Amino acid sequence: ETGVTQSPTHLIKTRGQQVTLRCSSQSGHNTVSWYQQALGQGPQFIFQYYREEENGRGNFPPRFSGLQFPNYSSELNVNALELDDSALYLCAVQGLNTEAFFGQGTRLTVV
Amino acid sequence: ELKVEQNPLFLSMQEGKNYTIYCNYSTTSDRLYWYRQDPGKSLESLFVLLSNGAVKQEGRLMASLDTKARLSTLHITAAVHDLSATYFCAVGGSYIPTFGRGTSLIVHP
Repeated sequence: ETGVTQSPTHLIKTRGQQVTLRCSSQSGHNTVSWYQQALGQGPQFIFQYYREEENGRGNFPPRFSGLQFPNYSSELNVNALELDDSALYLCAVQGLNTEAFFGQGTRLTVV
Repeated sequence: ELKVEQNPLFLSMQEGKNYTIYCNYSTTSDRLYWYRQDPGKSLESLFVLLSNGAVKQEGRLMASLDTKARLSTLHITAAVHDLSATYFCAVGGSYIPTFGRGTSLIVHP
């Protein structure tokens, strides 16, 4: 049990606003990834952090940014929110040669 | 660019029946994952397949991997209602998996 926790669980924002989503893990895995899952779609990779450095990035604009902290918790920041940013945002932690363990997600609605 | 295709995307089946979900991917990869997602919930890891010919079974689900054909299958045996969910395969590269669109499975009496 990795105990991946995301906060908040639900969020409503207005177009143009900024949002910060958070992810923490009890297990201390040093790799964290963020995914965007639109309704009816598979998760799309946003970026990955390893030991506080960005380690890979998907096809998302720079207004999607992140941080990883020394305790391996992580944040996803999205600036200038657009309606299409409405989705379930998932973080996942993993260690070397292990599968990714996902948090319960944050449901973001942009109105 | 790695592409992952699942089929079918939607599957309605009767309890007690068998069926197979297919996952094709476009480039060589060293690992393949199967996940389950219940509505409004996160993803639950089902299987990790690491080598050609790998087969793993858990209850009524069995996953296999053919790396030469770039194909994985998830076989459902004697389906029960509790298996209703969306199933995703994901193909890993550098520990960053690319997901398929998912197969939405409904098992009805």
